[in-house]
Amino acid sequence: KAGVTQTPRYLIKTRGQQVTLSCSPISGHRSVSWYQQTPGQGLQFLFEYFSETQRNKGNFPGRFSGRQFSNSRSEMNVSTLELGDSALYLCASSSSGQGRLREQFFGPGTRLTVL
Amino acid sequence: AQKVTQAQTEISVVEKEDVTLDCVYETRDTTYYLFWYKQPPSGELVFLIRRNSFDEQNEISGRYSWNFQKSTSSFNFTITASQVVDSAVYFCALSEAYSGYSTLTFGKGTMLLVSP
Repeated sequence: KAGVTQTPRYLIKTRGQQVTLSCSPISGHRSVSWYQQTPGQGLQFLFEYFSETQRNKGNFPGRFSGRQFSNSRSEMNVSTLELGDSALYLCASSSSGQGRLREQFFGPGTRLTVL
Repeated sequence: AQKVTQAQTEISVVEKEDVTLDCVYETRDTTYYLFWYKQPPSGELVFLIRRNSFDEQNEISGRYSWNFQKSTSSFNFTITASQVVDSAVYFCALSEAYSGYSTLTFGKGTMLLVSP
């Protein structure tokens, strides 16, 4: 089985721009979660999508949004980029439903640099 | 609120030494899972082990072992006979039934440097 794929792997943007990151989960996985990793804050949960619905959301401003398509692929969007948005964005997919332990498999991440 | 603390920011050892990574967690949930992930320089988080809150039996898997103690809210991870390839950042994480196990709360990570 192919693993979680994320595109692009690297991205450079300038302040004020917006960016869209893409994540393709493992085949058959219906849940996709997004995490932001920065040196200062570490790994922080952004949001989770299951069957095209946002099921959980972390403590991030509204500039961070996401969506999931019927094929379970997910995108996250960051509008009006700030320098502090520079981070490694990790996507994880899992297979089980709500209330059951779902082992999360992570992709290689997208490294976003905001200048 | 849930919290995971990894007090060790960086550990340096020489190959073949044993090394223990510490993890302390906080949760109000009675049902939860604890994990250890490894992040090599490539950036991808690699799952290592998991334990649920009802099973305090400690196990060994190859060179990895863990010590889960609910009484002290600790979930420590040991690598026996470390190798250079073990050099990476190691994260302890918590997943609670309250959130439907859909989120992971991570510690800040411990960077392990294994020198030859």
